[in-house]
Amino acid sequence: TQLLEQSPQFLSIQEGENLTVYCNSSSVFSSLQWYRQEPGEGPVLLVTVVTGGEVKKLKRLTFQFGDARKDSSLHITAAQPGDTGLYLCAGAAAGNKLTFGGGTRVLVKP
Amino acid sequence: EPEVTQTPSHQVTQMGQEVILRCVPISNHLYFYWYRQILGQKVEFLVSFYNNEISEKSEIFDDQFSVERPDGSNFTLKIRSTKLEDSAMYFCASSFVSGIGEKLFFGSGTQLSVL
Repeated sequence: TQLLEQSPQFLSIQEGENLTVYCNSSSVFSSLQWYRQEPGEGPVLLVTVVTGGEVKKLKRLTFQFGDARKDSSLHITAAQPGDTGLYLCAGAAAGNKLTFGGGTRVLVKP
Repeated sequence: EPEVTQTPSHQVTQMGQEVILRCVPISNHLYFYWYRQILGQKVEFLVSFYNNEISEKSEIFDDQFSVERPDGSNFTLKIRSTKLEDSAMYFCASSFVSGIGEKLFFGSGTQLSVL
């Protein structure tokens, strides 16, 4: 059984600070996706990383896939209150069956 | 942007009753999925569906569960005899193709409460 562990579970920071969310596994994934989920909504895809060592940037968000394709991180620079939300990582081993992490709830206080 | 729509948004049922959760995937998508999230737990894969048959299913997806694409637009999840532990948010998703990194589009979910 493949597992993805996210840390921390909850993160509270002040506007303007940086934050990093981690997603770790002992299993290798063919790709890893990061989602953001708002209350009462389904997960919305932010980014997919496929190649070991890959780094993708989405405005102030930087996503990295570990060299061994077992872990990933999401870094937010100069966080804003609009970044508040639940961030989920999800790994795919084959096809589109996704294994989700437990999520990191981020609170950015103005 | 195109959306996956799910109905109803909330469903309350008595234990032992049958429920059908409905989804309208994005129109040109070919692969369909159900995931669920029990309160406070991780989002879990239930089943994937392609070309009118199940591609893959998890251990959760036992004989009490079934999926169907009754027409060209709907994709349904049926639970034959609901149990208390079936209470969860059920998410439908769809994608155009199946492959590494393919984007899944999720619906807003149906909150199922079994009493």
